[in-house]
Amino acid sequence: DAGITQSPRYKITETGRQVTLMCHQTWSHSYMFWYRQDLGHGLRLIYYSAAADITDKGEVPDGYVVSRSKTENFPLTLESATRSQTSVYFCASSDSLAGDGGTQYFGPGTRLTVL
Amino acid sequence: KQEVTQIPAALSVPEGENLVLNCSFTDSAIYNLQWFRQDPGKGLTSLLLIQSSQREQTSGRLNASLDKSSGRSTLYIAASQPGDSATYLCAVNFNKFYFGSGTKLNVKP
Repeated sequence: DAGITQSPRYKITETGRQVTLMCHQTWSHSYMFWYRQDLGHGLRLIYYSAAADITDKGEVPDGYVVSRSKTENFPLTLESATRSQTSVYFCASSDSLAGDGGTQYFGPGTRLTVL
Repeated sequence: KQEVTQIPAALSVPEGENLVLNCSFTDSAIYNLQWFRQDPGKGLTSLLLIQSSQREQTSGRLNASLDKSSGRSTLYIAASQPGDSATYLCAVNFNKFYFGSGTKLNVKP
């Protein structure tokens, strides 16, 4: 299916465990993004990537690691999950940052609970 | 730190009304601004993208305007319908993206 997908859609884990959230897009968009959405904070950018092997920090990167070995995949890893990382995580992609290709397309989200 | 503010936080209107949602931002040096719709438990759906060089964009009953100098954007929804009920978010691209907290819209039949 064309578009942007995330897996898993729901995840429950325990404090201290490593968790990886997956994001896959079929458009060959250059840019990919990870956001978290929390009540009272709205959506905040965690990391983004301009191309394979190019990543940069967003507003709230601490506790997260990303990689992008292939254009279509952008996994987000919580190396040692904490309760404060309980959130809904959204992945997005766009063809560019500016210009007509700057529209961001979002995945359905992953709801992560850290106990 | 860049800030994006959306007012009001919630809005309830009867069907058929025209309405305006507001988005303000702290820095006029933006690349673009995007309006999204989010339904409960769902992802974000892009509605309109306005480039920094544009003043407005239209799609069907939606019209978004941009005034960089005053740090404001408005989303105008004409002839509102119950199906428009959702949370509307604006995202400002300052080379990194910052979102407002959204306006939760309820259109009553």
